[in-house]
Amino acid sequence: SQQGEEDPQALSIQEGENATMNCSYKTSINNLQWYRQNSGRGLVHLILIRSNEREKHSGRLRVTLDTSKKSSSLLITASRAADTASYFCATVTDSWGKLQFGAGTQVVVTP
Amino acid sequence: NAGVTQTPKFQVLKTGQSMTLQCAQDMNHNSMYWYRQDPGMGLRLIYYSASEGTTDKGEVPNGYNVSRLNKREFSLRLESAAPSQTSVYFCASSESRAKEKLFFGSGTQLSVL
Repeated sequence: SQQGEEDPQALSIQEGENATMNCSYKTSINNLQWYRQNSGRGLVHLILIRSNEREKHSGRLRVTLDTSKKSSSLLITASRAADTASYFCATVTDSWGKLQFGAGTQVVVTP
Repeated sequence: NAGVTQTPKFQVLKTGQSMTLQCAQDMNHNSMYWYRQDPGMGLRLIYYSASEGTTDKGEVPNGYNVSRLNKREFSLRLESAAPSQTSVYFCASSESRAKEKLFFGSGTQLSVL
């Protein structure tokens, strides 16, 4: 079974709205990362949050981490059509650092 | 700066055929990875190479072999393709251990008939 699971599986919003997606995981983590994948392309790293951090920002992205609940959220503020993509969380749980990916949230932003 | 380059982009094989997927990175990264992506399942790690000269199995290594040819190149070989290996394959690299971010190639879409 997967370590990380995103919720919702799909999200449809209009430009200018905020998009929030969540990631839950099962075992203790070293860090948690979020990636974006545009259709037919490879994944692009968005942000990394370490287990001792609670919140990080990068441009219009805000990531929170609650290790007590084993969950993380990704907020995209003021969405644009270009934000249409799939978003994946990935966790690092072992000492070496292998990433385990969730199944992703598909986000569609309509103009 | 090309980053991570994968070839080919598309491939169709018949059951039992063999092929090698090529991957090269120009970022002087130590670690390289092969993932497969199937609908609704996210990415699963097939093999990884922590550094030049080393390779290790990931979650789903059966039916695959890898070669870390040098620091730049990491190839994935299917010796006898099966329909269950129909997937999109991604190569990735990182400076060192995957505790830091990964850089991905654009993928190879493989169909096994």
